[in-house]
Amino acid sequence: EAQVTQNPRYLITVTGKKLTVTCSQNMNHEYMSWYRQDPGLGLRQIYYSMNVEVTDKGDVPEGYKVSRKEKRNFPLILESPSPNQTSLYFCASSLVRGRSYEQYFGPGTRLTVT
Amino acid sequence: QQQVKQSPQSLIVQKGGISIINCAYENTAFDYFPWYQQFPGKGPALLIAIRPDVSEKKEGRFTISFNKSAKQFSLHIMDSQPGDSATYFCAASMSGANNLFFGTGTRLTVIP
Repeated sequence: EAQVTQNPRYLITVTGKKLTVTCSQNMNHEYMSWYRQDPGLGLRQIYYSMNVEVTDKGDVPEGYKVSRKEKRNFPLILESPSPNQTSLYFCASSLVRGRSYEQYFGPGTRLTVT
Repeated sequence: QQQVKQSPQSLIVQKGGISIINCAYENTAFDYFPWYQQFPGKGPALLIAIRPDVSEKKEGRFTISFNKSAKQFSLHIMDSQPGDSATYFCAASMSGANNLFFGTGTRLTVIP
């Protein structure tokens, strides 16, 4: 089954404790992206990657890091989480070729930072 | 700055009625306009999309209307059903780019 998986689905942590949210896709997609979803603000892009070893900032990159060492994986790293990073996070992937940019989203990770 | 503005924030419709969600954009370089549907506890999923070379696209009960001169597009859900209750996001992107700019979302509730 074609899918994007994220782990963990739920995470409660404390300020300053480094954490990683994993994302993996099995569709051989070149493009992967991380979003955060907050009430009234919709989905805002954090980082994206056009292919292995190619990453770039989205609209809200502060406080986050990413890496793309393998095509299927795109982990999101919070080196020193703060309460304002409490949010619902989504990973997405899509093909780069062609005119269709349908993005496939993972199930989400709900992060709470206390 | 929100690149795509979406309204209303929430919408309540009777079963069988028409649900209408509106979006507006400023960047004329946008040339792909998808709508995503999100159920509680799930990630968004592509519902329907349109390009500016057509003014309307219909898939079943879902229709996108596109007004290029006004830089607006809307989603119409005909014969709305309780199963359509979800959050809907409009989005836009530019040719050759995969990055999507999302609206703020509309929570639709269809009352039986």
